[in-house]
Amino acid sequence: QSALTQPPSASGTPGQRVTISCSGSSSNIGSNSVIWYQQLPGTAPKLLIYGNNQRPSGVPDRFSVSKSGTSASLAISGLQSEDEADYYCAAWDDSLNGRGVFGGGTKLTVL
Amino acid sequence: QVQLVQSGAEVKKPGASVKVSCQTSGYIFTSYGISWVRQAPGQGLEWMGWISVYYGHTNYAQNFQGRVTMTTDTSTNTAYMELRSLRSDDTAVYYCVRDSSGWIFSHWGQGTLVTVSS
Repeated sequence: QSALTQPPSASGTPGQRVTISCSGSSSNIGSNSVIWYQQLPGTAPKLLIYGNNQRPSGVPDRFSVSKSGTSASLAISGLQSEDEADYYCAAWDDSLNGRGVFGGGTKLTVL
Repeated sequence: QVQLVQSGAEVKKPGASVKVSCQTSGYIFTSYGISWVRQAPGQGLEWMGWISVYYGHTNYAQNFQGRVTMTTDTSTNTAYMELRSLRSDDTAVYYCVRDSSGWIFSHWGQGTLVTVSS
């Protein structure tokens, strides 16, 4: 069982806005930045977005994040077929000895 | 550009050991840590541990304590992960990742499939 809780699946149609939630606790999301990773089918995960909407080069601003208390959300606007992937949230955890925690992942399907 | 290139797929028998390499380039190897993350078939991501390339300090996940050893070779900018006493449930893709602190895994290797089967 993952320390961060994500819905196992999400879906949307092209052009739609979808959100994926990530729930944690005061020791992880509640006190640290949330990081999101995208894993396209058959490929390695890649860093998608972190902190205060910081995106690595090449990640479009259609991806954004928000956080409230011990929960966070990834929003994807203008959904495109190439966004179909697994999405993982992660966060440093102050209660663990020098490590963070992953969410279980959300499979996003573009209908 | 930053690259992490891992060794090829392995097939091992239960009880054996595997050592996966991760050749890095495009950045100062000693300026970042390396974490190892694995993913069993159809499953999520599992962090295995981290090594400070500069100091050589390690921090292993409790699930792997006593079975895993992470090392680096600064002369070749290569990181290694050895997992011993393999079981069938160790079958997974193993990734090395450049750890930019705070669990920001900015760059990933392509993954190494390790299959444990009798």
